[in-house]
Amino acid sequence: GAGVSQSPSNKVTEKGKDVELRCDPISGHTALYWYRQSLGQGLEFLIYFQGNSAPDKSGLPSDRFSAERTGGSVSTLTIQRTQQEDSAVYLCASSPGLYYEQYFGPGTRLTVT
Amino acid sequence: KNEVEQSPQNLTAQEGEFITINCSYSVGISALHWLQQHPGGGIVSLFMLSSGKKKHGRLIATINIQEKHSSLHITASHPRDSAVYICAVYRIQGAQKLVFGQGTRLTINP
Repeated sequence: GAGVSQSPSNKVTEKGKDVELRCDPISGHTALYWYRQSLGQGLEFLIYFQGNSAPDKSGLPSDRFSAERTGGSVSTLTIQRTQQEDSAVYLCASSPGLYYEQYFGPGTRLTVT
Repeated sequence: KNEVEQSPQNLTAQEGEFITINCSYSVGISALHWLQQHPGGGIVSLFMLSSGKKKHGRLIATINIQEKHSSLHITASHPRDSAVYICAVYRIQGAQKLVFGQGTRLTINP
């Protein structure tokens, strides 16, 4: 079956612009996670959604970052007024529920110039 | 101090060698994840375990809940095993999100 997909695979944007990153989870997976991996760094949790519960936004680094998940499926991570330090690979993962194995997408490489 | 610590941070070995990567954690967990990330590639889940041992091909993962320790073993290592291996845990207390180790970079030379 189809895995987690993300788009775009690469995004180059100018400092100050807004960007939207998209994640399509595995069908039927109720939990969806966003992570960030800066160059040479480990994985950093950003936000997760579980079913209809309020999302856990505790990892979002600033109020320029937001995410939504429509209809319990597709999710969009939005970064407003991008800064150079936002350059990273943004990874999405989904799982059948909380505490289950997570399946990762290929990531979106964001470069802010 | 990180809640999840991996050792070694870097490991270089010759093809065919038996490889062990260690993960220690300091919090109560409900499960532990081993992940693999190839250079420039995505992340693949290898194992998720909460007790005992799991085996898949040449890979073996063990966990000792009492000692708060897990190991990932690779038998008959091959250059294609070269990757970063990441340990991550689900805490029992607190948010239901993975807490990651810093990763172990493995290089297998032919």
